[in-house]
Amino acid sequence: AQRVTQPEKLLSVFKGAPVELKCNYSYSGSPELFWYVQYSRQRLQLLLRHISRESIKGFTADLNKGETSFHLKKPFAQEEDSAMYYCALVRSEKLVFGKGTKLTVNP
Amino acid sequence: EADIYQTPRYLVIGTGKKITLECSQTMGHDKMYWYQQDPGMELHLIHYSYGVNSTEKGDLSSESTVSRIRTEHFPLTLESARPSHTSQYLCASSEYGAGVVGTGELFFGEGSRLTVL
Repeated sequence: AQRVTQPEKLLSVFKGAPVELKCNYSYSGSPELFWYVQYSRQRLQLLLRHISRESIKGFTADLNKGETSFHLKKPFAQEEDSAMYYCALVRSEKLVFGKGTKLTVNP
Repeated sequence: EADIYQTPRYLVIGTGKKITLECSQTMGHDKMYWYQQDPGMELHLIHYSYGVNSTEKGDLSSESTVSRIRTEHFPLTLESARPSHTSQYLCASSEYGAGVVGTGELFFGEGSRLTVL
């Protein structure tokens, strides 16, 4: 089955520390992957897409086909990064989401 | 302002009642989606539409139904609500669909949290 797995339900780091949110996928073919974020009391929104190879708010994510992973990384976490993060995979022109990881950045 | 709106934001209702969750977008998008999200769980696609008069069921079986008579409007209806329907329902829209390389951005509404007693 084509799906994404986010193994960590909760992740807590201190401000200034590096952070990595894990995402593994199962997909036959070339996957299209995204990271979505939901800040407290805000809507779910796109953070970044693998095809763009972009850095948004200091976050990057590299597609590793060998490890079937798409981990989200930031070298120095900020308190405002605290949010729910969802990894998502395109399947038949629709998005399939993981269970999400709640990131808390402590002062 | 172009946006996607969901009403009601919160609804508490008794078992057996009929409910309709409204979703409207002013972005001119053809593609619209309904996701169901239980606390701490992933979002499950329950319905989607690629345009007027086009509706399909998603991955998660749902007793709800949808209609797409106008481009901007995609309501979800439960004919007889049950406690198992208690959940958050998220509506989303996109211009190109999730699978078009280089786009894939879905715009989400604020959600409708349904509680069935």
